[in-house]
Amino acid sequence: NAGVTQTPKFRVLKTGQSMTLLCAQDMNHEYMYWYRQDPGMGLRLIHYSVGEGTTAKGEVPDGYNVSRLKKQNFLLGLESAAPSQTSVYFCASRTGGSADTQYFGPGTRLTVL
Amino acid sequence: EDKVVQSPLSLVVHEGDTVTLNCSYEVTNFRSLLWYKQEKKAPTFLFMLTSSGIEKKSGRLSSILDKKELFSILNITATQTGDSAVYLCAVKGGTSYGKLTFGQGTILTVHP
Repeated sequence: NAGVTQTPKFRVLKTGQSMTLLCAQDMNHEYMYWYRQDPGMGLRLIHYSVGEGTTAKGEVPDGYNVSRLKKQNFLLGLESAAPSQTSVYFCASRTGGSADTQYFGPGTRLTVL
Repeated sequence: EDKVVQSPLSLVVHEGDTVTLNCSYEVTNFRSLLWYKQEKKAPTFLFMLTSSGIEKKSGRLSSILDKKELFSILNITATQTGDSAVYLCAVKGGTSYGKLTFGQGTILTVHP
């Protein structure tokens, strides 16, 4: 049981390049989330999904897109990377219903030059 | 807008000391407060608190919630170097999609 996994672990991009971050969970969780973590700002929600085929915007969605074609996977895309998107990205998931605890992946450290 | 503030932002102690980390919050339709420990990678879940005055305990760590005064504390007794981490507080409000609002975190450093 791997829990929540993320690929890649590290990535360096040049301004304007695109990339996709992959999150996978094997816990059959309904809800999945993408956060970014910046120094002194805690974790901020980018996008989330309440089930396969559904996505919605969080607090800081600009510059990002997401897709949830399969229940176990949640993809985060950067179409045209900017230096302001340099951050550590975390994926999380939780079961549906009243369960509040979110389980996090190991993170992806992204640097945009 | 939901808001979570943690204090102190950083703390340096020696092994064996006891520490108290604070978390205050403002949230619409409070549902729960969660504490996470973050070492080098993923935040790992510690406690979830929903009721005032009931202490949650796990080994040397304990936490309590005061819903009237809108805060929680996390206590760590007899600290060890392995307790060095960022401790994150998050609250869940009344949104249907389970949004967590996180505080900035407290960086705890325990010296031998």
